[in-house]
Amino acid sequence: DTEVTQTPKHLVMGMTNKKSLKCEQHMGHRAMYWYKQKAKKPPELMFVYSYEKLSINESVPSRFSPECPNSSLLNLHLHALQPEDSALYLCASSRFGYTDTQYFGPGTRLTVL
Amino acid sequence: DAKTTQPPSMDCAEGRAANLPCNHSTISGNEYVYWYRQIHSQGPQYIIHGLKNNETNEMASLIITEDRKSSTLILPHATLRDTAVYYCIVNTGNQFYFGTGTSLTVIP
Repeated sequence: DTEVTQTPKHLVMGMTNKKSLKCEQHMGHRAMYWYKQKAKKPPELMFVYSYEKLSINESVPSRFSPECPNSSLLNLHLHALQPEDSALYLCASSRFGYTDTQYFGPGTRLTVL
Repeated sequence: DAKTTQPPSMDCAEGRAANLPCNHSTISGNEYVYWYRQIHSQGPQYIIHGLKNNETNEMASLIITEDRKSSTLILPHATLRDTAVYYCIVNTGNQFYFGTGTSLTVIP
């Protein structure tokens, strides 16, 4: 089973809203990732958690706040976003870290009005 | 700083082999080449990866040149469901470096 689930599938929010994206995996993987993907571009890495600790933050604006409550769950808290933050947000996991194959979820399509 | 370069688009007739090239001329000795594909607005799907030797699985074959500066992903009998964007990625052990992708269209 190589399934990573993400909720919601679609999200529309205003610039003053606070919302959260959720990602879950039950493969026993110890590394989890958030990527942002704009139309017709490859995914861009935002955050990496390894063994539930944030190990890489690719200089993402503070309006994006990740959280890893346990090894199976990854959240991305959103606050005061801008319209240019509209994108597909992808979650991925791998067994131990970057040396391993990453498995991606289906993504959350975010629209900021 | 792009670690991989790929043609932006390719066509392939249904039932024929699709050969997708990738250049990674600055790859280091311990860095892996990965291939993923992404069907419209879905999450990227893992296909195959390799270091030096050619690799084959149920989805595809990966041919890596002896100098490791380029590779080719081969889908042996392309179907309409193989229409997707194919990403060649260099995994440095610290990060996945995505190429810009090749949009493959399989034509009936």
